[in-house]
Amino acid sequence: EVQLVQSGAEVKKPGESLKISCKGSGYSFTRNWIGWVRQMPGKGLEWMGIIYPGDSDTRYSPSFQGQVTISADKSITTAYLQWSSLKASDTAMYYCVRREEFDYWGQGTLVTVSS
Amino acid sequence: DIQMTQSPSSLSASVGDRVTITCRASQGISNNLAWFQQKPGKAPKSLIYAASSLQSEVPSKFSGSGSGTDFTLTISSLQPEDFATYYCQQYNSYPLTFGGGTKVEIK
Repeated sequence: EVQLVQSGAEVKKPGESLKISCKGSGYSFTRNWIGWVRQMPGKGLEWMGIIYPGDSDTRYSPSFQGQVTISADKSITTAYLQWSSLKASDTAMYYCVRREEFDYWGQGTLVTVSS
Repeated sequence: DIQMTQSPSSLSASVGDRVTITCRASQGISNNLAWFQQKPGKAPKSLIYAASSLQSEVPSKFSGSGSGTDFTLTISSLQPEDFATYYCQQYNSYPLTFGGGTKVEIK
């Protein structure tokens, strides 16, 4: 059974760093793209970026390029989404997704950034 | 970037109704289109990929069609569990993009 299990909710202050995770299981982690999608409160879905764990090829949405870093550790079949300096506007639910057609979704990680 | 325009943005329908949602791409995307359903407080769920292929365990009341720039998602007979927000997404080229969503509400 394919599963994407994300790390738990986070509450952070503006300016702090954060790394959230998504562990894939039940499929070949290195042979499937894994990406991230943002959903701000009450809003639609936005694609942030995607990584191919087999060779770490990474693509970003222009809207998120330079704002976040996507990485993966294939030894533990886990992908990451990282911020170096959070803003209040980063408050959102973040989902990891498999493949470019997003056939499987993680359960979501709620990130709240507030002073 | 390819813009995905969904219509309508919301609709009210009754149980048993046939519902059609449209998604238009700003340029041709072949059949590289997916549809998702999202219920409040839940992660989206994949319904359809490659414009018309049903994901496993998705009921056959859902169907997709189209190619190029114009696509539709049809729910043949709306049931209470189908009231949700639906999104289309193109994966023909980067950046991957979503439609704005269609909220299906109870009439």
